[in-house]
Amino acid sequence: NAGVMQNPRHLVRRRGQEARLRCSPMKGHSHVYWYRQLPEEGLKFMVYLQKENIIDESGMPKERFSAEFPKEGPSILRIQQVVRGDSAAYFCASSPGTGLYGYTFGSGTRLTVV
Amino acid sequence: GQQLNQSPQSMFIQEGEDVSMNCTSSSIFNTWLWYKQDPGEGPVLLIALYKAGELTSNGRLTAQFGITRKDSFLNISASIPSDVGIYFCAGQETDGGSQGNLIFGKGTKLSVKP
Repeated sequence: NAGVMQNPRHLVRRRGQEARLRCSPMKGHSHVYWYRQLPEEGLKFMVYLQKENIIDESGMPKERFSAEFPKEGPSILRIQQVVRGDSAAYFCASSPGTGLYGYTFGSGTRLTVV
Repeated sequence: GQQLNQSPQSMFIQEGEDVSMNCTSSSIFNTWLWYKQDPGEGPVLLIALYKAGELTSNGRLTAQFGITRKDSFLNISASIPSDVGIYFCAGQETDGGSQGNLIFGKGTKLSVKP
């Protein structure tokens, strides 16, 4: 029973490029959450999605960032025209329903912008 | 945005010592969670608390949900080397926002005394 799968584990992008981070939730989980963690900080909520719907994007920067969770395939967090300040660890969590039961984090994608 | 105040920021332990850390919030939470994060990995849930006053144990770990619903503590008894890591408190506010988005503290880093 695989956990939450995130890939790539490490991603290096030059300033101005696009970064695409993928998250495959646990089997049977239809709710996905994205968080960002800066060095020496806790995780900060970005966006909450269910299949084909964005439920809450209150933590998402208004520009350059977007997220989707299509009917088929993984959830994608897309960062356009990356800047150095986007360097961080991005974590995805999934759950089977609303609330915190079964809420599980992936191992994260470490994005480095050079 | 809302933040949790977690203390201490870091601490050194010797094997066998008891360890205590806590989190406070300016607003009321309906859920408190304690996570451990190892280097290069995502947070792993240690203990979840759902009711004010609740005291819950998981092996050598004990956590309590404060009566005021604005604080929580985590104790680790008889620490062992594998307890080293970063511990995060996380909570969910009573007004919900959207269900499932967590607010994290900045973490307590546990290291072994040289």
